[in-house]
Amino acid sequence: EVQLVESGGGLVQPGRSMKLSCAASGFTFNNYDMAWVCQAPKKGLEWVATISYDGSSTYYRDSVKGRFTISRDNAKSTLYLQMDSLRSEDTATYYCARQNYGSYYWYFDFWGPGTMVTVSS
Amino acid sequence: DIQMTQTPSSMPASLGERVTISCRASQGISNYLNWYQQKPDGTIKPLIYYTSNLQSGVPSRFSGSGSGTDYSLTISSLEPEDFAMYYCQQYDSSPLTFGSGTKLEIK
Repeated sequence: EVQLVESGGGLVQPGRSMKLSCAASGFTFNNYDMAWVCQAPKKGLEWVATISYDGSSTYYRDSVKGRFTISRDNAKSTLYLQMDSLRSEDTATYYCARQNYGSYYWYFDFWGPGTMVTVSS
Repeated sequence: DIQMTQTPSSMPASLGERVTISCRASQGISNYLNWYQQKPDGTIKPLIYYTSNLQSGVPSRFSGSGSGTDYSLTISSLEPEDFAMYYCQQYDSSPLTFGSGTKLEIK
């Protein structure tokens, strides 16, 4: 059974840093691209970042470029999101998601339960 | 960025009713459109990928259609577990973007 479990969320002051982790199990982690998707309170879903299966390529939404870093440790089947220079608008639940794609299809086929990050003084 | 506009934002409906949720892209997305369901506890799962393909394990009462800029998700006969939030998502171009969601509520 595929499982994704995020951790590392909590309360952090503006301008500080936080690192999220996502422990994966039930599948061959290093075969899949992975992503972070966030959801601000009472708002919709927003893609944050993606990393290729081998970590060689990373992609970010503009609002987090230069502040967030997505990475992975395939030996530990773990995905990370290092968040620096946090802003109040980064307050959200952060979901780890597995990407599944083929010739025409591309979607997030498994999601974790999420971890809440609150940026406030 | 491609904007995804979902309508309605909320929809009261009854058990057994047929419902359709719409999603319009700000430009053509070549059928590169997925649908997700989010339960009140936050759990998210895919329903439909590439416009009309049913994700494994998803009941056949769910279906998707559309082309160009206009897409829809239809539930043929509502079950109690279907009352949730629904989001469309395009993958035609980066950044990936989601619709603002449709809340399916019990009438």
